[in-house]
Amino acid sequence: DGGITQSPKYLFRKEGQNVTLSCEQNLNHDAMYWYRQDPGQGLRLIYYSQIVNDFQKGDIAEGYSVSREKKESFPLTVTSAQKNPTAFYLCASSIEESGFYSGNTIYFGEGSWLTVV
Amino acid sequence: SQQGEEDPQALSIQEGENATMNCSYKTSINNLQWYRQNSGRGLVHLILIRSNEREKHSGRLRVTLDTSKKSSSLLITASRAADTASYFCATDTGRRALTFGSGTRLQVQP
Repeated sequence: DGGITQSPKYLFRKEGQNVTLSCEQNLNHDAMYWYRQDPGQGLRLIYYSQIVNDFQKGDIAEGYSVSREKKESFPLTVTSAQKNPTAFYLCASSIEESGFYSGNTIYFGEGSWLTVV
Repeated sequence: SQQGEEDPQALSIQEGENATMNCSYKTSINNLQWYRQNSGRGLVHLILIRSNEREKHSGRLRVTLDTSKKSSSLLITASRAADTASYFCATDTGRRALTFGSGTRLQVQP
């Protein structure tokens, strides 16, 4: 089946530890995104990537890092510099089109819950 | 910063009633999209309306867009218990990534 796979679904991080969230898509989409969602809140953009080997900071990139070595993969590392990492993390992808009527519809994975213990 | 803000934050209705939620945004947009999220799950795209469109329908969904007021509304007609979810508007401003609002939590009582 085509889609976006995030793993793990649940992850626990100890203080001072880096953790990596996996995101893989087989939709042949060029663009990929990471959003953070706090309980009862909306989504905030962490990083996004339009093509392989290129990515841009979103609104809350501090304490996070990403890589885009392959078109289908966009892992997110939550570093020890992120002081309040407990949240729901959503990976997404879209066909990257150009022009005014691009209308990028985003397809989401099922999310990963990260908790600091 | 949040580009879109939904209103109300929470809405509780009976099955069969209509549900209306509103979204306001701050800057010019190329298009506005609505997404649905079941608790603890990813978001699912519902409908997209472009800046030169005023109204769009999809099944029981009706979306309006007023660019002069920078606002949009989502109407779900004849609601069902299965419509219980959070609904988010998202704006495409040409930044290459959608900006999401804070969402409306809809509870449909059977």
